[in-house]
Amino acid sequence: DAKTTQPNSMESNEEEPVHLPCNHSTISGTDYIHWYRQLPSQGPEYVIHGLTSNVNNRMASLAIAEDRKSSTLILHRATLRDAAVYYCILRGDRYSGSARQLTFGSGTQLTVLP
Amino acid sequence: DGGITQSPKYLFRKEGQNVTLSCEQNLNHDAMYWYRQDPGQGLRLIYYSQIVNDFQKGDIAEGYSVSREKKESFPLTVTSAQKNPTAFYLCASSIWDRGIYEQYFGPGTRLTVT
Repeated sequence: DAKTTQPNSMESNEEEPVHLPCNHSTISGTDYIHWYRQLPSQGPEYVIHGLTSNVNNRMASLAIAEDRKSSTLILHRATLRDAAVYYCILRGDRYSGSARQLTFGSGTQLTVLP
Repeated sequence: DGGITQSPKYLFRKEGQNVTLSCEQNLNHDAMYWYRQDPGQGLRLIYYSQIVNDFQKGDIAEGYSVSREKKESFPLTVTSAQKNPTAFYLCASSIWDRGIYEQYFGPGTRLTVT
């Protein structure tokens, strides 16, 4: 399975933008890029996903490199409630084995400073 | 409200005892999953089920068992054969027939075995 590489930790000031990077140099053409986040002592929650084009939703934006070997999750204005572990995950399409699983790495611990 | 329920939130057991963790969803999702999380680590897949009366082993199934008699329920039994059962256990579900998948997680059960 294709793997992702993320920094162990990052810090941001409150109300400033945060760019969380993810490298996935072995991504295949059918792999979707998913981001989940996990607040302390809670289950992960979906943030955003994309395939080739940049994506925006109410929580965040996802910028995908043209060669798809890296992506960046963008939180436009970090709040204290955004402090969490952020996971970048590759997921195959319905007809590949990885479609049935989300393979979580250790993610990036984001600390938001007041 | 629709969602995933896990109970109890905290569970304590003596070594050598089997224990069953509950997971219920009212999202009408076909697929359900069980993950284990150890401190500072990502999630690891224990078992998953795509439909009723069918389930598959994940990456770390040894010492665990599941059943899927109803679409809404996917209980996990941690048996005495599991060598290190103390962990945070997360249940998730997803819609199976969607082209793009999103997993919804429960709040988790923290199991402590002494």
